[in-house]
Amino acid sequence: AQSVTQLGSHVSVSEGALVLLRCNYSSSVPPYLFWYVQYPNQGLQLLLKYTTGATLVKGINGFEAEFKKSETSFHLTKPSAHMSDAAEYFCAVSGTSGTYKYIFGTGTRLKVLA
Amino acid sequence: NAGVTQTPKFQVLKTGQSMTLQCAQDMNHEYMSWYRQDPGMGLRLIHYSVGAGITDQGEVPNGYNVSRSTTEDFPLRLLSAAPSQTSVYFCASFLYGLGYTFGSGTRLTVV
Repeated sequence: AQSVTQLGSHVSVSEGALVLLRCNYSSSVPPYLFWYVQYPNQGLQLLLKYTTGATLVKGINGFEAEFKKSETSFHLTKPSAHMSDAAEYFCAVSGTSGTYKYIFGTGTRLKVLA
Repeated sequence: NAGVTQTPKFQVLKTGQSMTLQCAQDMNHEYMSWYRQDPGMGLRLIHYSVGAGITDQGEVPNGYNVSRSTTEDFPLRLLSAAPSQTSVYFCASFLYGLGYTFGSGTRLTVV
């Protein structure tokens, strides 16, 4: 069985500050992990993904995430927040390689303060 | 542009009415799915299809029907709308190695 927990349904940061969105997962098999972003009135877009190999994954718009097996975490970070980063972010996990069976987290809404 | 197209974008229904949410993709993906998104609950899978003629239930299938007569289309039917079905609905297709491609959503209000 798999599950995803996103800590904090709402996160506020000042423009230029570090963005840290937390995601912990549970999986009985080696996980594939994903972050998606949803801008207002749009569908979800893939931000980055971890499948195998390097544990630090870089995505679009300056975001990155690190897979930490010992902590069962896949936190999303960005060194300097921009106003355009305001959106909802979803973490997701899937199991055996390539499966369509994703489990999505409940989402974290990021607010960027001027 | 290649992708997943959902219609309509907005819809208001009265309790008991029926309607079909349309979803079409032009990427020849075999797998398609419907999700509903509610505040604080993330995305919940309603129904999915692994290919034409094959559908299966997801986490919250009650009150919804689907069919998949072609690879391109995957409509979602509400047979008798209820206020509890007020939500944002997303259709998505999936390809191994590429992952999910989502439509832009249908915002449904049932009064």
